[in-house]
Amino acid sequence: KQEVTQIPAALSVPEGENLVLNCSFTDSAIYNLQWFRQDPGKGLTSLLLIQSSQREQTSGRLNASLDKSSGRSTLYIAASQPGDSATYLCAVPSGASKIIFGSGTRLSIRP
Amino acid sequence: EAGVTQSPTHLIKTRGQQATLRCSPISGHTSVYWYQQALGLGLQFLLWYDEGEERNRGNFPPRFSGRQFPNYSSELNVNALELEDSALYLCASSLGTGGPYNEQFFGPGTRLTVL
Repeated sequence: KQEVTQIPAALSVPEGENLVLNCSFTDSAIYNLQWFRQDPGKGLTSLLLIQSSQREQTSGRLNASLDKSSGRSTLYIAASQPGDSATYLCAVPSGASKIIFGSGTRLSIRP
Repeated sequence: EAGVTQSPTHLIKTRGQQATLRCSPISGHTSVYWYQQALGLGLQFLLWYDEGEERNRGNFPPRFSGRQFPNYSSELNVNALELEDSALYLCASSLGTGGPYNEQFFGPGTRLTVL
């Protein structure tokens, strides 16, 4: 049974710092992994999707890496800004019928 | 390109009533997913519809049901509402029959409050 874990649950850093968010999954036979951002009380915004054959994906200041063998993905945010404050979730397909989400990391960027 | 839309934004009901939530997927997407996000419980998979058929449902009672229309929009119905049904209900859509293997795009959600 696939389980997805995100540590830490919350993170507060000063503006301008580079930071890394972690996502771990128990079943390494994943098809892809998706990172999302969620602002309080809002829907999810898709940030990056990494296919199992890829090692990393980049979009602007965001870079996501995937290491299937170790069951880990990281989301790197460069030069953090107050507008990056949100909850970040990772998700992987489980079987062929649903997606399993991590519990998220709540990120706060201090001006 | 218009994103996933959901209505209403907020819904307030009392215990025992029925709630109907609506979702319109991105144009060209045939799969629609419903999730419940209750406070402190994370995102829980509810239902997956594709091409008008229910493909899978999560661990929720039969009070939670839905359907998908020929234009691929979808409706989630919750009968006999209970206080613990209060949550943010999120809809997502994706392309094709790959189901959850395809990238999912989410709507803004419907906040259901049961009094």
